[in-house]
Amino acid sequence: KNEVEQSPQNLTAQEGEFITINCSYSVGISALHWLQQHPGGGIVSLFMLSSGKKKHGRLIATINIQEKHSSLHITASHPRDSAVYICAGLRGQKLVFGQGTRLTINP
Amino acid sequence: NAGVTQTPKFQVLKTGQSMTLQCAQDMNHEYMSWYRQDPGMGLRLIHYSVGAGITDQGEVPNGYNVSRSTTEDFPLRLLSAAPSQTSVYFCASSRGQGNSPLHFGNGTRLTVT
Repeated sequence: KNEVEQSPQNLTAQEGEFITINCSYSVGISALHWLQQHPGGGIVSLFMLSSGKKKHGRLIATINIQEKHSSLHITASHPRDSAVYICAGLRGQKLVFGQGTRLTINP
Repeated sequence: NAGVTQTPKFQVLKTGQSMTLQCAQDMNHEYMSWYRQDPGMGLRLIHYSVGAGITDQGEVPNGYNVSRSTTEDFPLRLLSAAPSQTSVYFCASSRGQGNSPLHFGNGTRLTVT
């Protein structure tokens, strides 16, 4: 079993829909990163969180430490949100990555 | 502010050749790291460093060497390239020890024939 598991692997939605991407992780992970990889390949950090909830524009990230689960939400989705979303767990000083969720938002 | 600069963008090597992928950051970040990204495998940590003079292995270190003589630079060396090292390589940096937002370079697409 991978240390960081993401679901779903692929997600297609219509513009305006509320999007949720899930990430479950194993014991020993102290913090979670959410990353966005654009179709051109560049990777951008969205959030780093070890507890609670963070919000940036239409993006919200939550983490439940007891359940070892994090979610990334996108409100009022837009075609420009189409990308691969990656969660990564910090174990000690090492990052372990989920497989990514490919999100496609259709107009 | 350049952020994380990774060079080259593309490289083709023959089996057995050596090369160095360069990574430099101008944000005075302590933490720097190298990843490879393969289809269906996601990102995997190769090596990382928490400061000048300190490096450690990640998940897939075999075939790669690193050094960290300055805070700014963290080169990745392939001593004898193999086709299995065909991949896209990313360098990233952050403050602290990985528990701060990551800044990624633009990636290097390496093909070993």
